[in-house]
Amino acid sequence: EVQLVESGGGLVQPGGSLRLSCAASEFTFGSHWMDWVRQAPGKGLEWVANIKQDGSDKYYVDSVKGRFTISRDNAKNSLYLQMNSLRAEDTAVYYCARRRGTYSDAFDFWGQGTMVTVSS
Amino acid sequence: DIQMTQSPSSLSASVGDRVTITCRAGQSISSYLSWYQQKPGKAPKLLIYAASSLKGGVPSRFSGSGSGTDFTLTISSLQPEDFATYHCQQTYTTPWTFGQGTKVEIK
Repeated sequence: EVQLVESGGGLVQPGGSLRLSCAASEFTFGSHWMDWVRQAPGKGLEWVANIKQDGSDKYYVDSVKGRFTISRDNAKNSLYLQMNSLRAEDTAVYYCARRRGTYSDAFDFWGQGTMVTVSS
Repeated sequence: DIQMTQSPSSLSASVGDRVTITCRAGQSISSYLSWYQQKPGKAPKLLIYAASSLKGGVPSRFSGSGSGTDFTLTISSLQPEDFATYHCQQTYTTPWTFGQGTKVEIK
């Protein structure tokens, strides 16, 4: 079955950086759009960023533009999220998710999430 | 950004009850609407995509309907494993946005 495993979360001070990774397996990674979604403690889901199959197109929610960078390595079946200039409001569980088919399709598989805590 | 509003925010129901959750979009999103189920401490799971298509392996007691701005998720006969939070999501235009969630609790 499709597997997505996030890593790289942790405690970081405001203004710091973290790089999240998502290791994909049991599907053709390079054939799917991939997304990052986050969920602050006790809150709803917020889409963060996505990236096209070949990495040529990327989109971000306004609140992370200029601070976060999404990337992928299809040879390594891996998705990344470089997070710079972190703020307290970035504290959340970060999930990677696979897009089911087309650009406007649903997220059919999700990783278990990795917790990012931004605090001094 | 397209605002997604779910109602109710929470509900209490008994096993065997028919449950309906609604999701309203701030503008027309055609049928680009998905429903997810999330249990505490776990990742969301896709139930319904394209407003009314059931993901493979999801029990047939779950169904979705609607188009444009108004959508519903129906659980025809609530089972113990269905107590969870349900989220709607639009993928009509970025930024993709989610509803605030509907928590289904045991009565």
